Amino acid sequence: DVKVTQSSRYLVKRTGEKVFLECVQDMDHENMFWYRQDPGLGLRLIYFSYDVKMKEKGDIPEGYSVSREKKERFSLILESASTNQTSMYLCASSPGGGGGETQYFGPGTRLLVL
Amino acid sequence: GENVEQHPSTLSVQEGDSAVIKCTYSDSASNYFPWYKQELGKRPQLIIDIRSNVGEKKDQRIAVTLNKTAKHFSLHITETQPEDSAVYFCAATFSSGSARQLTFGSGTQLTVLP
Repeated sequence: DVKVTQSSRYLVKRTGEKVFLECVQDMDHENMFWYRQDPGLGLRLIYFSYDVKMKEKGDIPEGYSVSREKKERFSLILESASTNQTSMYLCASSPGGGGGETQYFGPGTRLLVL
Repeated sequence: GENVEQHPSTLSVQEGDSAVIKCTYSDSASNYFPWYKQELGKRPQLIIDIRSNVGEKKDQRIAVTLNKTAKHFSLHITETQPEDSAVYFCAATFSSGSARQLTFGSGTQLTVLP
């Protein structure tokens, strides 16, 4: 059974703070993704990674960066948090290659920026 | 890139009735179309998917149909039950460089009334 975990379920930060969200998967998946989920907008892709140390921008990368130093771990960084980054953040992983495209999601982190 | 539109945004049905959610996509190269269900406070989970070489797929009370010519795909839930109440997301695969991404629709809040 695929397990994707995220470091926090809820976070409250102040404007201008640096915020780290961490995601870990235990199925040796190649691909990892960060989305934000906002009402009426669905899931929007921020960044994804297809290999260690590799990353690509998604649809809304502005204000975010990512890090993937180990295969199982993918971090989302808000360099200077702003109130418009208040959202639910979801991490996902997928096998990639011939292993399929099904994405498995973590439980989400609800971030409030004051 | 890919664009996925999903309708309706909210849907209420009586228990036992059928529910239909429709999506359209823009990229004719998309070939994988999953549907995810997200119950309140939980992570999105894959419930059914279809590939472009198949027109219809069924799994018990759930079915998905795909019309490649019209770039439409739909989720059909028959004999709805209260536990079907959730947000449903459609998605389409989008290939960009190194990894297969999913572009999600904006979601449909399905409420099954007892």
